[in-house]
Amino acid sequence: DTAVSQTPKYLVTQMGNDKSIKCEQNLGHDTMYWYKQDSKKFLKIMFSYNNKELIINETVPNRFSPKSPDKAHLNLHINSLELGDSAVYFCASSPGQGLGALHFGNGTRLTVT
Amino acid sequence: DAKTTQPPSMDCAEGRAANLPCNHSTISGNEYVYWYRQIHSQGPQYIIHGLKNNETNEMASLIITEDRKSSTLILPHATLRDTAVYYCIVRVGGGSQGNLIFGKGTKLSVKP
Repeated sequence: DTAVSQTPKYLVTQMGNDKSIKCEQNLGHDTMYWYKQDSKKFLKIMFSYNNKELIINETVPNRFSPKSPDKAHLNLHINSLELGDSAVYFCASSPGQGLGALHFGNGTRLTVT
Repeated sequence: DAKTTQPPSMDCAEGRAANLPCNHSTISGNEYVYWYRQIHSQGPQYIIHGLKNNETNEMASLIITEDRKSSTLILPHATLRDTAVYYCIVRVGGGSQGNLIFGKGTKLSVKP
C-alpha cells in the first residue's frame, strides 16, 4: 500500500486554467505538507497543515490554495495557472510537527503551456 | 537554520562503502542533522538523523564530529539502487520539521 499518494502523476494544462492536485496519506499522521521542486531541483516548502489547520504558509501566490477536508487529505488547488508554475509538486506527511521523518509522495509533474 | 555544504557529486563502486560528507560549521546546539535522499523521479526518502551521538539504522550510519561542525553519512555496502541525490539538512528539533530547507545535495553514482 502506498503511504502517501498523489494524483495525478502528470498534469499538462494551458495558462489561465484552474487545476487541483490531490494527496492522501494512510499513515495516520497529523501533519501534511506541500513542497515545490523547480527546474533547478530546489525543493521548497509551500504549506503545512497540522490536524487540518494551516501551520506554515510560505510566500506563495494567492492563486495557490490548500484544502484539508480531514487530516488524511491535503489537496492543492491552483487558479489562473502561469508558465512559472511548471514544476514537480510533492505532498508529504509526518507524525506531528517536528516529530518523526517526513514521508513524501512520488510527486505530480505540472506542465503549463 | 544553519547552512550546509556538500560536494555536488561522488562516485562509489558497487559493494563498497559510500561516505558522504557534509559541513555545517554554523550549527547551533539545538539543531539536528537530517539526511534524506531522492532517487530519480521519486519523492525524497528519509534516511537518518542525529543530534550529537553517532546513529545507525537499517539504511545507513551517521557520524557526527565532536564539535558537530561536520558529519558523514555512510552507506556500508552501496548498491546500484543507492544512486540518488543525498541531502544533508540541519534543523531545530521540536519545531516544524516540515520547514526543512533542501539544498542541492550530493549526487551519488554507484557504479558496477
